[in-house]
Amino acid sequence: DTQMTQSPSSLSASVGDRVTITCRTSQDIRDDLGWYQQKPGKPPKRLIYAASSLQSGVPSRFSGSGSGTEFTLTISSLQPEDFATYYCLQHNRYPRTFGQGTKVEIK
Amino acid sequence: EVQLVQSGAEVKKPGTTVKISCKVSGYTFSDYYIHWVQQAPGKGLEWMGLVDPEDGETKYAEKFQGRVTMTAEMSADTAYMELSSLRSEDTAVYYCATLPLHGDFVFWGQGTLVTVSS
Repeated sequence: DTQMTQSPSSLSASVGDRVTITCRTSQDIRDDLGWYQQKPGKPPKRLIYAASSLQSGVPSRFSGSGSGTEFTLTISSLQPEDFATYYCLQHNRYPRTFGQGTKVEIK
Repeated sequence: EVQLVQSGAEVKKPGTTVKISCKVSGYTFSDYYIHWVQQAPGKGLEWMGLVDPEDGETKYAEKFQGRVTMTAEMSADTAYMELSSLRSEDTAVYYCATLPLHGDFVFWGQGTLVTVSS
C-alpha cells in the first residue's frame, strides 16, 4: 500500500495567517493527489485535484503543489470558515489511501 | 441536481452483517465509480473500496477484504456496501462518493452511522 504521512496533525492559527500542510507518500504517485476539507458532521469536500488544480468554486486562497512523493496544501490567508480538518488522498494506485488528517484550530 | 442518498442509521450486534445503500440521481449511474469511505468516531477517513456500476468490478482495501462486498444495481441506480462479521471497531459513519481523478464531479452521500454494540 502507499503510505501517507501528513503533517502536522494539528495546528493553531489566526485569521489572516498563511497555513501550510504537507503530505508525503511512500511511493512516487506523480500528481495523483487531492486535498479535502471536512467540517464536523459533514462529508469531506475536495479542494484540490491533480495536486495543484483548484476545484470549481473553491476560493483562490487555497493552492496545492508538489509531485512525486511530496505535496503541499497552502491557505494563503486563513478565514474563519477554514477552520476544519484537512486530508490528502492519493489515487495513483489501489488501495486509495488518505493521510491522517490535519486539524486547523483557532489560536 | 446530483444526489447520493444513503440509507439510515443502523444498530447491529457483533458478528452480524450490515448492508448500506446509496441511491444516486441526477446523472448516469454507470458513468462514475462509487467509492466507500469509513470514518470511526473522532478518527480520520479510510478508503474501503469501490464498485464500477457498469460491470460490477470491485476493488477493496486489504483491511476489509473478505468481510466487505460492494455491489451496484443499475436498474435501481443504487450501490450497496455490505460488511459482515461486525465488531465494535466497525462503529463508524460510512460514506459513498464519486471520486473522479479530475474535474468537478465529486459528490458524497450524507453518511450512514453504523453502531455495533451488544
